[in-house]
Amino acid sequence: EDQVTQSPEALRLQEGESSSLNCSYTVSGLRGLFWYRQDPGKGPEFLFTLYSAGEEKEKERLKATLTKKESFLHITAPKPEDSATYLCAVHDGSSNTGKLIFGQGTTLQVKP
Amino acid sequence: NAGVTQTPKFRILKIGQSMTLQCTQDMNHNYMYWYRQDPGMGLKLIYYSVGAGITDKGEVPNGYNVSRSTTEDFPLRLELAAPSQTSVYFCASSTVGELFFGEGSRLTVL
Repeated sequence: EDQVTQSPEALRLQEGESSSLNCSYTVSGLRGLFWYRQDPGKGPEFLFTLYSAGEEKEKERLKATLTKKESFLHITAPKPEDSATYLCAVHDGSSNTGKLIFGQGTTLQVKP
Repeated sequence: NAGVTQTPKFRILKIGQSMTLQCTQDMNHNYMYWYRQDPGMGLKLIYYSVGAGITDKGEVPNGYNVSRSTTEDFPLRLELAAPSQTSVYFCASSTVGELFFGEGSRLTVL
């Protein structure tokens, strides 16, 4: 059964303190791993898609990496505006319907 | 472009009442989805559609129904509302790759 697990559930950082969020996945044939950002009271906003082990993508202070079993979202020198819930998801490997299976998310708080 | 639009944003229902959450997208996407989000539980798929006239159950379909008569619209019907349906509901659409989400509909059943 396809499964996505994120850790930690919550993370508090001081401004400028770099860290990483983890997403472990089990899927029958990876067809895409997705990272989303979600602000309170809003819908998830797309950040990155990774397709194969070794792939990396960057956007401002965020860098996503992928191995065969997990993905990391590295946050370098975070700012308070990076505070949000970060969601990881994979395509359902059993069908071609575009369905995503989500992890429970990591809530990041960056204090000034 | 508006993207994915959901209405209403907030609603309070009494147990046993019924209602429809509306979802419209203007990106001509074939695939549409309804997810619910509960605190600490991530997003769970309720129903999805791969095109007009085609719908299928997701992970948590009980107590819900959907229809897809046009490419643009994908309403979610709640029949006989129960407290367990208190949640935030998100509609999304896609072609291939990433999903685009609406702003959500917060439903409380009392």
